[in-house]
Amino acid sequence: DGGITQSPKYLFRKEGQNVTLSCEQNLNHDAMYWYRQDPGQGLRLIYYSQIVNDFQKGDIAEGYSVSREKKESFPLTVTSAQKNPTAFYLCATRTPLTENTEAFFGQGTRLTVV
Amino acid sequence: SQQGEEDPQALSIQEGENATMNCSYKTSINNLQWYRQNSGRGLVHLILIRSNEREKHSGRLRVTLDTSKKSSSLLITASRAADTASYFCATVRYGNNRLAFGKGNQVVVIP
Repeated sequence: DGGITQSPKYLFRKEGQNVTLSCEQNLNHDAMYWYRQDPGQGLRLIYYSQIVNDFQKGDIAEGYSVSREKKESFPLTVTSAQKNPTAFYLCATRTPLTENTEAFFGQGTRLTVV
Repeated sequence: SQQGEEDPQALSIQEGENATMNCSYKTSINNLQWYRQNSGRGLVHLILIRSNEREKHSGRLRVTLDTSKKSSSLLITASRAADTASYFCATVRYGNNRLAFGKGNQVVVIP
């Protein structure tokens, strides 16, 4: 079953804790993205990676960290430095063999700070 | 800066009517894409239009792109209740693979 798997679907975090959101893909896509979605604000880019062992900051990278050790995996860590982490997080992939390709999305992880 | 900003509308229409939504962007792009999101779910790609194209059709969808005005529109014809969703435009800039989204339009189709 091909696609993008985000886990967990729901995540609760206590204030001051770091949490890691998982994103795994078996589409053999080169590029992977993390977005944050808040109500009424659309999708904001946190980080993206075009190849293994390389990634770039998006518009709201502060308080987040990523790694890209394998092509299939792009985990996102929400650190305690992120003051308002409650949001819906979406992972996406693209294969930029050309640049005219669409993105494929996972089903998202809803993070709540308790 | 965020590329791809839709007119922040909530559209409510009757089944069978057409729905139109707009998107504007700020810098040079390679292509513009439209996506759909059902509540609480991931996004699904609808259609991609390249910067050298002006209009594109896919089923009941029609997309236009005006690079001189840096704007795009998505038309859904003969809407159905199942078209109820949020619709987002996204742009890919020249020279990199950064994919930037707008704020989205919520469309409600009343049966």
